[in-house]
This record gives sequence, structure tokens and C-alpha cells, in this order.
Amino acid sequence: NAGVTQTPKFQVLKTGQSMTLQCAQDMNHEYMSWYRQDPGMGLRLIHYSVGAGITDQGEVPNGYNVSRSTTEDFPLRLLSAAPSQTSVYFCASSYSPSGSWNEQFFGPGTRLTVL
Amino acid sequence: AQSVTQPDIHITVSEGASLELRCNYSYGATPYLFWYVQSPGQGLQLLLKYFSGDTLVQGIKGFEAEFKRSQSSFNLRKPSVHWSDAAEYFCAVAVTGANNLFFGTGTRLTVIP
Repeated sequence: NAGVTQTPKFQVLKTGQSMTLQCAQDMNHEYMSWYRQDPGMGLRLIHYSVGAGITDQGEVPNGYNVSRSTTEDFPLRLLSAAPSQTSVYFCASSYSPSGSWNEQFFGPGTRLTVL
Repeated sequence: AQSVTQPDIHITVSEGASLELRCNYSYGATPYLFWYVQSPGQGLQLLLKYFSGDTLVQGIKGFEAEFKRSQSSFNLRKPSVHWSDAAEYFCAVAVTGANNLFFGTGTRLTVIP
């Protein structure tokens, strides 16, 4: 099993550009989520999904969109990048819809810089 | 609102010394509690979790944590630290009925020979 994979590992954008961060898991997990990690702030939840076709907002959803067309994939879209979105992004998955109550498996992260 | 506090931003210990990392949470009921470790440039790995039952929980890599309801704490301990334990450690809280984790700001551990 590859676990949770994320692409790209690094990305530099200019303000106003859009892009999609990819996340895939091969563990047949129902629950998937996106976090951003900023210095001194820990991880904050952006969006999550409890199954294909179901998504919901987390703590910091503004400026981001998600969709879940398959169990395996959960892409995160930046609509119009801003310098405040410079961060490290982590995707995670869990084997239960009640993801919070079970171990979440994290991907290696994507380091995004917005100029 | 729920919150998780890790009061120590950075801790330095000597190899072989004992370790305790502090975590306090603010929540009205008993939460689900987790400790994660993040090595440089890596994702997060679960060390241990507490859902209910015995308040002393054992995890991987020789770590343990104790849930103290009266103090709203879930401190992480290790009796003898190894150089490979140098990493950042995050405490996290899950809220009943919700689907997200609340993370503390992390404690960076440095191990000196």
C-alpha cells in the first residue's frame, strides 16, 4: 500500500493563480481531510469528506474548494492564490466516517509558496 | 470553543534523560485525545490515543501518556529519550459528534548527546 500520497511536494504560485493539490489514498478510507500547517499555529482543518459525494467545511475554508467524486481522491483547489495561503498542506484519511475518533493517516505534505 | 494548549514551544533534553511534554485541553466533556509526532519534512504519525478506560495509555516507540480529568491534561512521557526522538510533537483533541481534530501548536524536541 502506498498509503496517502500528495502531489506536488513543492509549488510556487503568483498571486491570483489557481491550482489543485492532489491527494489520493489506497486504503479504502471513507474519511479524508485537508489541513494547513503554519508556524506556531499547529494544524488547522480546511475541508473534510465523510464519503464520496459528501464534503464539509472545517475551521479555515475560505479560498479553498474540494470535491470527492471517488473514495480514493480528494483534491484541494485554490481558486485565486493569495500570499496568506503560503503554508504546508497535509491530506489525511481515516477508516471510519467518524474520522476524528480513529487514527488519521497523513500524507507527506505539499509546501506551497504564493508570491 | 474547544482549545488545545501545549505550553512548551521548544524542549531540549539529553539523550537517556526522561521526557514529559505537556498538553491541556478545554472542552466540556471528556474528549478523545491523541499525540502525533512529525519528523522533519514528514507527515504526522500517531503515537497514541485515549478514548476511554485506563487513563494511562501506551503508545509506539516507548511513549506513554496519562489522562487526568481533574487537570484537563494529557501529558506525554518517555523514561529514556533517544536521539531519534528529536521531532515535533502535537497533541490533538476530537470533539464528540464532530468530524475534525483540534491540534495544539506543537512542541519541538531537541535531543543532545
